[in-house]
Amino acid sequence: DTEVTQTPKHLVMGMTNKKSLKCEQHMGHRAMYWYKQKAKKPPELMFVYSYEKLSINESVPSRFSPECPNSSLLNLHLHALQPEDSALYLCASSPRGQGANEQFFGPGTRLTVL
Amino acid sequence: AQSVTQLGSHVSVSEGALVLLRCNYSSSVPPYLFWYVQYPNQGLQLLLKYTSAATLVKGINGFEAEFKKSETSFHLTKPSAHMSDAAEYFCAVSEKGDTGKLIFGQGTTLQVKP
Repeated sequence: DTEVTQTPKHLVMGMTNKKSLKCEQHMGHRAMYWYKQKAKKPPELMFVYSYEKLSINESVPSRFSPECPNSSLLNLHLHALQPEDSALYLCASSPRGQGANEQFFGPGTRLTVL
Repeated sequence: AQSVTQLGSHVSVSEGALVLLRCNYSSSVPPYLFWYVQYPNQGLQLLLKYTSAATLVKGINGFEAEFKKSETSFHLTKPSAHMSDAAEYFCAVSEKGDTGKLIFGQGTTLQVKP
């Protein structure tokens, strides 16, 4: 299995809702990433997990809460989001989180906040 | 700090013509460099990477890139464009250290005309 899967593909939520995005990989990778991507822009890094520990938080608002229950699974919990949080949310993984390792991206979750 | 500049936010070529997408980087240490492609409503797919081995790197789908230290460049080329190459292309440099953090360029949209 050489892919990163993300669910759901699309999500529409109100500003008072609580929802979660899920990311899974079975390649034995030990680093996992969350990115936010606006239209016609490059991905912006949000969080990095290395060996199931949060190693980078790019000053992301607390309404986004990441979780890494095990080495294959990464969640992003969403609460009280704003319309400007609407974007494509991408998950990625890499073997060891080192500079030479490429990142493998999932197809993303298209989030719309009403 | 490391950075990436992609010259030309939009490149248009005819089918069968040479594709040249430009990328210049700034790094105080030998960089790890990547080219990713993103098709509409999809995640990013790795085309190729440079990790200090051969300076001419061959990737998937007929793409290649040459690392030129003297010019701090890593331009992406393909001898003959195909309609299916139309997509967004991102050049990225890996931040030094063991975070695996990618610094992306702003992206180049490749249009292929019949």
